[in-house]
Amino acid sequence: DAGITQSPRHKVTETGTPVTLRCHQTENHRYMYWYRQDPGHGLRLIHYSYGVKDTDKGEVSDGYSVSRSKTEDFLLTLESATSSQTSVYFCAISDFERDYNEQFFGPGTRLTVL
Amino acid sequence: DQQVKQNSPSLSVQEGRISILNCDYTNSMFDYFLWYKKYPAEGPTFLISISSIKDKNEDGRFTVFLNKSAKHLSLHIVPSQPGDSAVYFCAAMAGDSNYQLIWGAGTKLIIKP
Repeated sequence: DAGITQSPRHKVTETGTPVTLRCHQTENHRYMYWYRQDPGHGLRLIHYSYGVKDTDKGEVSDGYSVSRSKTEDFLLTLESATSSQTSVYFCAISDFERDYNEQFFGPGTRLTVL
Repeated sequence: DQQVKQNSPSLSVQEGRISILNCDYTNSMFDYFLWYKKYPAEGPTFLISISSIKDKNEDGRFTVFLNKSAKHLSLHIVPSQPGDSAVYFCAAMAGDSNYQLIWGAGTKLIIKP
């Protein structure tokens, strides 16, 4: 399995509080992604990174920000959590020179916003 | 508007028989397609892929077929085994999209003993 960890694995928070999710990889892959998974929607891309300090928005980026200061870490921040951000969040990595178009996923973080 | 559609939320198949999962897409710029498998409480794992220059790709019990004119692909699992019970996602990528994947909503496959 690709070395990808996510922390925390579960979190319950209240509306209006800031939340940061962490994705850590030991594979030295260039690309990192944050997705959310909701029933009936599959996976939707929030933000992605194509290198240190290089990030871009995905399909559902409103209300989220990201940072990547090191190759191995990609942080997802909800500045002020809302109930609509209750979801399962997955981090993924890829390196197209090694793995073509395949993305490898972390175990997920279940976030509940009350 | 969903660009990748998996119209069957669930599918039940007898063990040993063929499982056929379907996926339709609307964006003609998609040129690479992937299938992922997901068990509960785990991240998706890559299963098989196909480039738009091919119409078939096979890997053991898994075969993916691509019909570009119909904008349709299917995943065949033969023979189906109990461990195949999972949610299957179809995903697509356009060559100019900076490697972004667009995902279908998934199909839950249940293999009956």
